[in-house]
Amino acid sequence: DIQMTQSPSSLSASVGDRVTITCRASRSISTYLNWYQQKPGKAPKVLIYAASSLQSGVPSRFSGSGSGTDFTLTISSLQPEDFATYYCQQSFNTPWTFGQGAKVEIK
Amino acid sequence: QVQLAESGGGSVKPGESLRLSCVASGFTFNNYYMSWVRQAPGKGLEWVSYISDTGTIIYYADSVKGRFTISRDNAKNSLFLQMNSLRAEDTAVYYCATLSRVAAAELYYYYHYMDVWGKGTTVTVSS
Repeated sequence: DIQMTQSPSSLSASVGDRVTITCRASRSISTYLNWYQQKPGKAPKVLIYAASSLQSGVPSRFSGSGSGTDFTLTISSLQPEDFATYYCQQSFNTPWTFGQGAKVEIK
Repeated sequence: QVQLAESGGGSVKPGESLRLSCVASGFTFNNYYMSWVRQAPGKGLEWVSYISDTGTIIYYADSVKGRFTISRDNAKNSLFLQMNSLRAEDTAVYYCATLSRVAAAELYYYYHYMDVWGKGTTVTVSS
C-alpha cells in the first residue's frame, strides 16, 4: 500500500498568513493526489484534485503543486473560515490512502 | 440540489452485521462511481470501497475485504454497504461520496476524487 505522510500534523497561524502543508507519498504517484478540508463534525470537502486543479467553487487562495512523491497545499492568505483539518489522498492505485491530516489552528 | 443521505448506522456487538444505505438526489446517480469513506472517533479518514456506475468494478480496503460488500441499485438511486463480522475497529462515521473522474494524459487513466459527500452515519461496535 502507498503510505501518505503529511507535515506538519498541526500548525498555528494568524489570519492573513501564508500557510503551506506538505504531503509525501511512499512511492511515486505521478499527480494522482487530492486535497480535502474537513471542519469539526462535518463531511470533508474537496479542494484540489490531480495535484493542482482547483475544484469548482473553491477560493483561489488555495493552490496545490507537486508530482511524484512530494506535494504541497498552499493557502495564500489564511481566512477565518480556513481553520480546519486538511487531508491529502492518493488515487494512483487501490487501496486509496489518506494522509494523517494537518490541523490548522488559530494563533 | 445535489444531496447524499446515509442511513442504517447503529450500535451492534462484535460479529454482528449492519447494512448502510445512501440515497442520492439532485443528480443522475447512474452516471457516477460511488465510494464509502469512514472516520473512527478522533481519527483521520479511511477509504473503504468504491463501485463503478454499472456496478461491475469494485474495490475494497484490505481492512474490510471479505467482510464488507458494496452494491448499488440505480433504479432507486441508492448505494449500499453490507457489513458483516463487525469488529470494534469498524466503529466510525461512514460517509458515502460521489466519485468524479477526469481523464488523465495517459490513455485509459483517470483522476478520481470524492466530490459530493453525505453527512455520515455512525456505526458503533462494542460488547
